[in-house]
Amino acid sequence: GAVVSQHPSWVICKSGTSVKIECRSLDFQATTMFWYRQFPKQSLMLMATSNEGSKATYEQGVEKDKFLINHASLTLSTLTVTSAHPEDSSFYICSARDFRLGAAETQYFGPGTRLLVL
Amino acid sequence: AQSVTQPDIHITVSEGASLELRCNYSYGATPYLFWYVQSPGQGLQLLLKYFSGDTLVQGIKGFEAEFKRSQSSFNLRKPSVHWSDAAEYFCAVVTDSWGKLQFGAGTQVVVTP
Repeated sequence: GAVVSQHPSWVICKSGTSVKIECRSLDFQATTMFWYRQFPKQSLMLMATSNEGSKATYEQGVEKDKFLINHASLTLSTLTVTSAHPEDSSFYICSARDFRLGAAETQYFGPGTRLLVL
Repeated sequence: AQSVTQPDIHITVSEGASLELRCNYSYGATPYLFWYVQSPGQGLQLLLKYFSGDTLVQGIKGFEAEFKRSQSSFNLRKPSVHWSDAAEYFCAVVTDSWGKLQFGAGTQVVVTP
């Protein structure tokens, strides 16, 4: 089946630094990737939709200057948390949609990245 | 606007007993529905999906779900749970042409011996 990887799986950083998280589709091409945030014991909240070669579309309430998304190729999207603060600590999950399939088809989820900002 | 409701936040079930997780959706047209499972600290794994056709959908790990348009429901079932089924379960619906997913709040399943 389709595999999506995320790197790193966990990261600890100091407040004020920036952290980059990578999301890769390993065996398929993904024109669209999604970034989610999940707080402990809560559901996934969509942060943004990342389309290859164009600007990301952010959900209401998500700061685009805070969470920079780059989808430079059909297999890679990155999320950069800029000037991270403790309240940015969370579990970040990406998903990717196979470009050959319709919009309603299955998204494949990465294993997630746990970010802890001290 | 589309929405997904999982009424049960937490369910405890004995190993070997049957399990049913409820999911209700609000959507104007025929919804595209999914059930995902998440083990602690892990990403999401797709259990099954419904787009059209047979309203009883078979998934992995012995799970099945039934789409009932009249009740706006897509409940997940398993006849006999195993200890390894202890996890968080999410129902989700596609909300736009890009494939954006709206997730329910999730149901935590605890399996007792």
